[in-house]
Amino acid sequence: AQSVTQLDSHVSVSEGTPVLLRCNYSSSYSPSLFWYVQHPNKGLQLLLKYTSAATLVKGINGFEAEFKKSETSFHLTKPSAHMSDAAEYFCVVSPTGGFKTIFGAGTRLFVKA
Amino acid sequence: NAGVTQTPKFRILKIGQSMTLQCAQDMNHNYMYWYRQDPGMGLKLIYYSVGAGITDKGEVPNGYNVSRSTTEDFPLRLELAAPSQTSVYFCASSTRDLRGSGYTFGSGTRLTVV
Repeated sequence: AQSVTQLDSHVSVSEGTPVLLRCNYSSSYSPSLFWYVQHPNKGLQLLLKYTSAATLVKGINGFEAEFKKSETSFHLTKPSAHMSDAAEYFCVVSPTGGFKTIFGAGTRLFVKA
Repeated sequence: NAGVTQTPKFRILKIGQSMTLQCAQDMNHNYMYWYRQDPGMGLKLIYYSVGAGITDKGEVPNGYNVSRSTTEDFPLRLELAAPSQTSVYFCASSTRDLRGSGYTFGSGTRLTVV
């Protein structure tokens, strides 16, 4: 069985400080893992994905995530938050093949000036 | 390059009315999906399709129907709308192995049932 848990429903950081959004997963397969971002009243946009290549994945807008199989984690990080990063972030786990995908409940990131 | 196009963006329905949410993609993706997003929740899969003429139920299919007559289009039909169907609906598409950008999402349809 697959599951994904985003450990924080809300994260608040100051502009210029690091961002850490935490995601744990369980999967019977070797899954594909994704992070998506959703800005208010918008659709979801892919930030980055892991598909069994390098364990450190770099995405758009300075975000990256590290796949740690031993910890079943796929945490999203960014060295320095920008006001435009304020959005909701979804961790997604999917076996190879597409439709049995599970979305995390989301983490809302607030960025303070 | 339009990607995934959803219409309408907003709709208010009365209880018992029906409507069709339209979804079209121009990336020649075989897989298409309908999700609903409720406040504080992740996305829940309503229906999906792995190709023209093939559809199957997702996690929350009750009260909805779909069809897939072409690769490009995947409309979602709501029959007898209920307040519990108030939500934001997203259509998405992908290749089978999620190559490239994984899922491509439309911008959503915000539906209110009153």
